[in-house]
Amino acid sequence: DAKTTQPTSMDCAEGRAANLPCNHSTISGNEYVYWYRQIHSQGPQYIIHGLKNNETNEMASLIITEDRKSSTLILPHATLRDTAVYYCIVSPWDSNYQLIWGAGTKLIIKP
Amino acid sequence: NAGVTQTPKFRILKIGQSMTLQCTQDMNHNYMYWYRQDPGMGLKLIYYSVGAGITDKGEVPNGYNVSRSTTEDFPLRLELAAPSQTSVYFCASSKGLAGGGETQYFGPGTRLLVL
Repeated sequence: DAKTTQPTSMDCAEGRAANLPCNHSTISGNEYVYWYRQIHSQGPQYIIHGLKNNETNEMASLIITEDRKSSTLILPHATLRDTAVYYCIVSPWDSNYQLIWGAGTKLIIKP
Repeated sequence: NAGVTQTPKFRILKIGQSMTLQCTQDMNHNYMYWYRQDPGMGLKLIYYSVGAGITDKGEVPNGYNVSRSTTEDFPLRLELAAPSQTSVYFCASSKGLAGGGETQYFGPGTRLLVL
């Protein structure tokens, strides 16, 4: 079973910031938080990951709460092309393969 | 770089037939993975490999086999196709441990329908 809880779906207006929450209340100290997205049944695409600190790259920002029990993925200026299913995954740093995928959040960007 | 490529894109099989799903990566990654994705669900790991000649089972290996004779290729074999194997199959690769801060790169997927 997935170790994360995400809303089933969300809407966001084009040009606004999209904030996608993820609950991972049972996260362990050696587990990273990963975000991937899947656009219209294509292969998933890596977005960002973090351990304790907030992270930012060219695609998004990842805000992890101090207790690490939840996180938020922020797409700063959402476009229609950001419509996708977004997956939040936690995985031990020493795991060969244990990325346990839940059903994710369907994000719909509206014009 | 082409990244991760998969063939075929789509296939219809009859129950009991066999087939091989091909996966190739040109990034010289040691780690490769096969996932399946059922409608509305997340990905489930079938098999993975940490290098040429080394493979291991994931969450849902029954009904599948793999081999890894080269760094680049990681084919997935279905021996006796069953309707329960109707799914979309994704191949992925990573430089290091998928859970160890490494990025997984995914192929475009193979849609398989077993009738």
